[in-house]
Amino acid sequence: DAGVTQSPTHLIKTRGQHVTLRCSPISGHKSVSWYQQVLGQGPQFIFQYYEKEERGRGNFPDRFSARQFPNYSSELNVNALLLGDSALYLCASSWGGLKYEQYFGPGTRLTVT
Amino acid sequence: QQPVQSPQAVILREGEDAVINCSSSKALYSVHWYRQKHGEAPVFLMILLKGGEQKGHDKISASFNEKKQQSSLYLTASQLSYSGTYFCGTGNTNAGKSTFGDGTTLTVKP
Repeated sequence: DAGVTQSPTHLIKTRGQHVTLRCSPISGHKSVSWYQQVLGQGPQFIFQYYEKEERGRGNFPDRFSARQFPNYSSELNVNALLLGDSALYLCASSWGGLKYEQYFGPGTRLTVT
Repeated sequence: QQPVQSPQAVILREGEDAVINCSSSKALYSVHWYRQKHGEAPVFLMILLKGGEQKGHDKISASFNEKKQQSSLYLTASQLSYSGTYFCGTGNTNAGKSTFGDGTTLTVKP
């Protein structure tokens, strides 16, 4: 079975630009969560979506937004990129809330110059 | 408030044991443990839901003390493949927000 997939793998953007990151969950999983991981730190929670509805939001500015599609795939959008947005963006899929295991995708490495 | 992990780093010889702790200042609903190797995504190890619950597979096990708001990960007879950074992720409810500690780097040497 395919695991969680993310695209693109790497991305280089300029300050002020917009970026869209994509995630496809494990087949059958209805929940997708997004995390930002800076080198040397643990993943920081950005959003969780379940059945196309937002179920949780972390402490990130409104420049960050996300959505989940009917096929349970998800997009993370970041507007007006800052240098500090450079990080590994991880997507995790699960059956639902935090009583279920989360499986992470390989991540998208975003570099903002 | 993110959970606090201890120790920050540990170096072992193959065959030795290690304990990694995760403490929260808030009541916990669940604790997840992950291992991440350099340049890779975190890999799920186990989830604990009930106070006092213990789980394990192979030589890795974990416990969850709900009253103390703590969880510990036990690695016995460590192997070279155990090297990596271990993270605990905690949730206060079943809702989506999961908060991760800053990790414990485990190095196993031959």
